[in-house]
Amino acid sequence: AQSVTQLDSQVPVFEEAPVELRCNYSSSVSVYLFWYVQYPNQGLQLLLKYLSGSTLVKGINGFEAEFNKSQTSFHLRKPSVHISDTAEYFCAVSQEYGNKLVFGAGTILRVKS
Amino acid sequence: DTEVTQTPKHLVMGMTNKKSLKCEQHMGHRAMYWYKQKAKKPPELMFVYSYEKLSINESVPSRFSPECPNSSLLNLHLHALQPEDSALYLCASSQGMGLSSYGYTFGSGTRLTVV
Repeated sequence: AQSVTQLDSQVPVFEEAPVELRCNYSSSVSVYLFWYVQYPNQGLQLLLKYLSGSTLVKGINGFEAEFNKSQTSFHLRKPSVHISDTAEYFCAVSQEYGNKLVFGAGTILRVKS
Repeated sequence: DTEVTQTPKHLVMGMTNKKSLKCEQHMGHRAMYWYKQKAKKPPELMFVYSYEKLSINESVPSRFSPECPNSSLLNLHLHALQPEDSALYLCASSQGMGLSSYGYTFGSGTRLTVV
């Protein structure tokens, strides 16, 4: 079975500062990794995904993530955040060719002016 | 059309009521999912339908009854719910089972309150 640990429940950051949201996973098999964003009272929107190949994945809204197999991590980064990036971010994992998406507990990103 | 549409957006129901949540997609996706999200928690899988057949039931109580009338539509029938069932119910779809590489497309959810 797969599991996901998001190491920070909340991350406060000032506008235009860089941010990193941390995600570690555990699995005995190959996995796919995803980051989703959820704005208040809304559903989840896919930011980016890692399937295979290049370990640096670029997504929407200027976000990127790096897959590190040796450290079983998939941290999300943005070089300069905006107020509009304030939301909850979920890291998720599924088994390669699997049928179930397992979410981490979420990290609330609070961007302050 | 690249959306998953859920109706209603909000629902308040009594513990003796029967209600249904509806989810619709026109992307040709063949797998559809129901997730439950309690406040300040991640989404938890409830049911998976693949090619209109129920393939996963995550030991969900029988007061929740899913139905997939066709490849575009997914319903969740609710009966005799408890206040602790109050949550955001999210529907999602994907191109197919075993093809989670494409990620899931989520709807905006139905906020359910049981009184």
